[in-house]
Amino acid sequence: EAGVAQSPRYKIIEKRQSVAFWCNPISGHATLYWYQQILGQGPKLLIQFQNNGVVDDSQLPKDRFSAERLKGVDSTLKIQPAKLEDSAVYLCASSLVPGQGAQRSYNEQFFGPGTRLTVL
Amino acid sequence: AQKITQTQPGMFVQEKEAVTLDCTYDTSDPSYGLFWYKQPSSGEMIFLIYQGSYDQQNATEGRYSLNFQKARKSANLVISASQLGDSAMYFCAMREGSNQGGKLIFGQGTELSVKP
Repeated sequence: EAGVAQSPRYKIIEKRQSVAFWCNPISGHATLYWYQQILGQGPKLLIQFQNNGVVDDSQLPKDRFSAERLKGVDSTLKIQPAKLEDSAVYLCASSLVPGQGAQRSYNEQFFGPGTRLTVL
Repeated sequence: AQKITQTQPGMFVQEKEAVTLDCTYDTSDPSYGLFWYKQPSSGEMIFLIYQGSYDQQNATEGRYSLNFQKARKSANLVISASQLGDSAMYFCAMREGSNQGGKLIFGQGTELSVKP
């Protein structure tokens, strides 16, 4: 079974530029998460989708960050314009919808390799 | 207030010995789940073990076990017979509520180094 795919793996941009990250979840996983992991910290949820609807975007800085999940599969996270403090690893994760074929009752999240963003 | 606290920024352990990584949590929800993830230098988060708030027994998965002390709100990870490949960052995380699709709240992590 293929895991969560993300691209690019690394990105370096100047502040005030824009950048986009792509995520392809595990096939059949209806729930998709974007986390931001700043160096030395644990990941923090930015946005959660179930199919193509937003479940939680309470910690997404909406003045500069946007995300979409067209057709309920792939997702794109965009930052425009980028700030120095956006330097981080952006992790995408996916999981099954609870109660619908979850292999285990606790329905763990599966993570991709992340995109490391450096803003200069 | 921190919901997940990992007080050990870094730990060293000798190969083949056991090591305990500490995690305390804070929640008023009676239903919650606790997760441990491993993050090697490659960056991917790898799920290790889960403990539910209503589980009567401590969780075990191979060399990993979870020392769950509900009254003390602690969920320490025990790795037995450490291997060189265990060197990585380890994160404790919590999911509050009974919604199994909810977000994970992570601690700051502990960097484990296994010495040969």
